Amino acid sequence: NAGVTQTPKFQVLKTGQSMTLQCAQDMNHNSMYWYRQDPGMGLRLIYYSASEGTTDKGEVPNGYNVSRLNKREFSLRLESAAPSQTSVYFCASSFMTSGGAGETQYFGPGTRLLVL
Amino acid sequence: GEDVEQSLFLSVREGDSSVINCTYTDSSSTYLYWYKQEPGAGLQLLTYIFSNMDMKQDQRLTVLLNKKDKHLSLRIADTQTGDSAIYFCAPKRGTGGSYIPTFGRGTSLIVHP
Repeated sequence: NAGVTQTPKFQVLKTGQSMTLQCAQDMNHNSMYWYRQDPGMGLRLIYYSASEGTTDKGEVPNGYNVSRLNKREFSLRLESAAPSQTSVYFCASSFMTSGGAGETQYFGPGTRLLVL
Repeated sequence: GEDVEQSLFLSVREGDSSVINCTYTDSSSTYLYWYKQEPGAGLQLLTYIFSNMDMKQDQRLTVLLNKKDKHLSLRIADTQTGDSAIYFCAPKRGTGGSYIPTFGRGTSLIVHP
């Protein structure tokens, strides 16, 4: 199992350009998430998808759109990139574990985005 | 919404114990998680505690929960240089069928010889 994979690993954009960040998981998880991580800010939730066909806004959705293409894939799109969107973006997926751990999230390695 | 507070830095000597503290505001949090992030990597679940427990021990890790004070701590015994990372406290906020944790800003643990 590859777990959660993200592409690309790094990207440099100019202000106003658009791009899509890809995320895929091979663990048959129902829920998937997009976060951004900024220095000293922890992780902030952008969007999440509780199941295939549903998406919901998180804490910081402005400037982003998402698509839950199928159970495996959840993409994040920046339509018109701004310098404020310079960040590290993490995708995660989750499932309900047995044995009392609740629902456990697995994270991808991240995409580092620089918007000039 | 939930607020989660952690101190930003902790520096310890190799072999000593480390204690990372976290306070949160949502008393209905049912699961409280600790995640570890090594440099340049994503987050990995380290350990967790259920809200009806006071303490959980897992090898070198001890989690203490004071539900009354909404205070969570992670103790790492015999801290090693490989423990240097950012540690995130993440109480669970349940909503529908999805698991939405609220992450603290993370505590950078620096282990020096």
